[in-house]
Amino acid sequence: NAGVTQTPKFQVLKTGQSMTLQCAQDMNHEYMSWYRQDPGMGLRLIHYSVGAGITDQGEVPNGYNVSRSTTEDFPLRLLSAAPSQTSVYFCASSQSGGRGGEQYFGPGTRLTVT
Amino acid sequence: DAKTTQPTSMDCAEGRAANLPCNHSTISGNEYVYWYRQIHSQGPQYIIHGLKNNETNEMASLIITEDRKSSTLILPHATLRDTAVYYCIVRRTRGGATNKLIFGTGTLLAVQP
Repeated sequence: NAGVTQTPKFQVLKTGQSMTLQCAQDMNHEYMSWYRQDPGMGLRLIHYSVGAGITDQGEVPNGYNVSRSTTEDFPLRLLSAAPSQTSVYFCASSQSGGRGGEQYFGPGTRLTVT
Repeated sequence: DAKTTQPTSMDCAEGRAANLPCNHSTISGNEYVYWYRQIHSQGPQYIIHGLKNNETNEMASLIITEDRKSSTLILPHATLRDTAVYYCIVRRTRGGATNKLIFGTGTLLAVQP
């Protein structure tokens, strides 16, 4: 199993550009989520999904869109990038809710918005 | 989800046990205690979790006080590769979106040679 994969690893955008961060998992996990991590801070939840076709907002959803058309993929879209979105983005997956079930994180995408 | 409090940083000598404390005084009965760590520039890694009883796996031990208001993560023989930020997280086990993890700023453990 490849686990959780993210592409690209690095990205530089100009203010106002749009892009999609890709996330895929091959563990048949129902739950997937996106976090951002700013320098010196913990991770903050952007959006999450409890299954295909179901998404919901986390702590910091503004400026980001998600969709979940398949179990495997959970892309994160930036519609109009802003310098405040410069961050490292992590995708995670796990078995669905309830007891136990650790989350598996991808290697991250480092995004710079100029 | 209950809030957690951890020291900002700790040092530990290589080969010695590292004991990382966490306070979660507002924890409720259906919340588990989870520990993750993040080695520099990598995604977080799950370590261990528990509800009431002490737990041990190949990576660490988790000691939870009887009143469940605090816990300690123990790395029995710390190595230089254990240098990382360690996050203590409490998470609901029932209700919607029970997989949500709320990260604080964690404890930076520096293992010294």
